[in-house]
Amino acid sequence: GENVEQHPSTLSVQEGDSAVIKCTYSDSASNYFPWYKQELGKRPQLIIDIRSNVGEKKDQRIAVTLNKTAKHFSLHITETQPEDSAVYFCAASKSGGGADGLTFGKGTHLIIQP
Amino acid sequence: ETGVTQTPRHLVMGMTNKKSLKCEQHLGHNAMYWYKQSAKKPLELMFVYNFKEQTENNSVPSRFSPECPNSSHLFLHLHTLQPEDSALYLCASSPQGTDDTQYFGPGTRLTVL
Repeated sequence: GENVEQHPSTLSVQEGDSAVIKCTYSDSASNYFPWYKQELGKRPQLIIDIRSNVGEKKDQRIAVTLNKTAKHFSLHITETQPEDSAVYFCAASKSGGGADGLTFGKGTHLIIQP
Repeated sequence: ETGVTQTPRHLVMGMTNKKSLKCEQHLGHNAMYWYKQSAKKPLELMFVYNFKEQTENNSVPSRFSPECPNSSHLFLHLHTLQPEDSALYLCASSPQGTDDTQYFGPGTRLTVL
């Protein structure tokens, strides 16, 4: 089955700086890669996703890049703000329009230092 | 935030009890999922239902028994659980088709004594 590795487990950055979280996956058939943000005591919420036919996707301060050959994808957050503090999870699945469960990474606790 | 709801939000049960977790989605989705979230571990997929049919059982012990009576409701029946089953149980749903986005419920925090 799919295995998703996520690094680092904790990331502390100064407010205004950029943060990068990296994930690798094992199953070359995986083609859908979402990122979820989970604040303390709250549900995971999708912040951005990418499919394997795209190399990069951007949404304001958040971007995701995908390298299919190397089987890794990364989340980039620029101009970090205190409200970006949360746990971020990457995930992978073999999306084909059906119902496919997600395989998640272990999460990265992002801390934004004022 | 009310698209996917879960009840109860907190549950404490003994190892010999039988209880059920309920999930309801008001988004018109066709697929529903159960995930387990334990401390220091990634979210683990447990079950997948697609149009009320179970399409995936991720090697979950039989003390967890899912039920999906219709596309809007999903249950997780629990019996003779172990303390290591204490975790946050998250339900999710997705539209299926070209949109694979999974929307999560708030979770049920389960403690097994």
